[in-house]
Amino acid sequence: AQSVTQLGSHVSVSEGALVLLRCNYSSSVPPYLFWYVQYPNQGLQLLLKYTTGATLVKGINGFEAEFKKSETSFHLTKPSAHMSDAAEYFCAVSPRRDSGAGSYQLTFGKGTKLSVIP
Amino acid sequence: EPEVTQTPSHQVTQMGQEVILRCVPISNHLYFYWYRQILGQKVEFLVSFYNNEISEKSEIFDDQFSVERPDGSNFTLKIRSTKLEDSAMYFCASSKASGNTIYFGEGSWLTVV
Repeated sequence: AQSVTQLGSHVSVSEGALVLLRCNYSSSVPPYLFWYVQYPNQGLQLLLKYTTGATLVKGINGFEAEFKKSETSFHLTKPSAHMSDAAEYFCAVSPRRDSGAGSYQLTFGKGTKLSVIP
Repeated sequence: EPEVTQTPSHQVTQMGQEVILRCVPISNHLYFYWYRQILGQKVEFLVSFYNNEISEKSEIFDDQFSVERPDGSNFTLKIRSTKLEDSAMYFCASSKASGNTIYFGEGSWLTVV
């Protein structure tokens, strides 16, 4: 079974500061990894994903994440926070398509709410 | 950019009433899903649907829930007799294939009173 742990339910950063949102996963084989963002009163929007290839993936709005197999991590970063980044961020995993898994449902973390202080 | 659309955005219903949440998945997608997020909790998988039948469902998806694709574009979630604990944001999602990236709609807030 897969699981996702997001350290910190709430993170506050100053505008212009580095954003670091942590995600660790547990899976018998490296899964597909995703970050979704949920702005207030809106749905889930895909920020970025890792499936294969380069372990540093770039997403929308200047975010990027690095898959580190040895650490079972997929932390989300952005060099300089903007007020518009205030939202809740969800890390999620699903089994790889070539894993032979019977299920490809997404397993989500509990989410990290990001506040940006002017 | 194609997107998943959901209606209604918010519905308030009395306990015991039937509710139907509607979704229009992305047009060339073949797999459809419902997820749920109770306020303050994780997003949870409910059900996946492919080729006009349920391909997988979670423990949450009990007999009071059903899904249907009544025509070529809509995908619905029906809750037969709502309970207070059904109050949640319900997300519809779709993907091209099993194991592909899943795209979510904006959600339907259901409040059961």
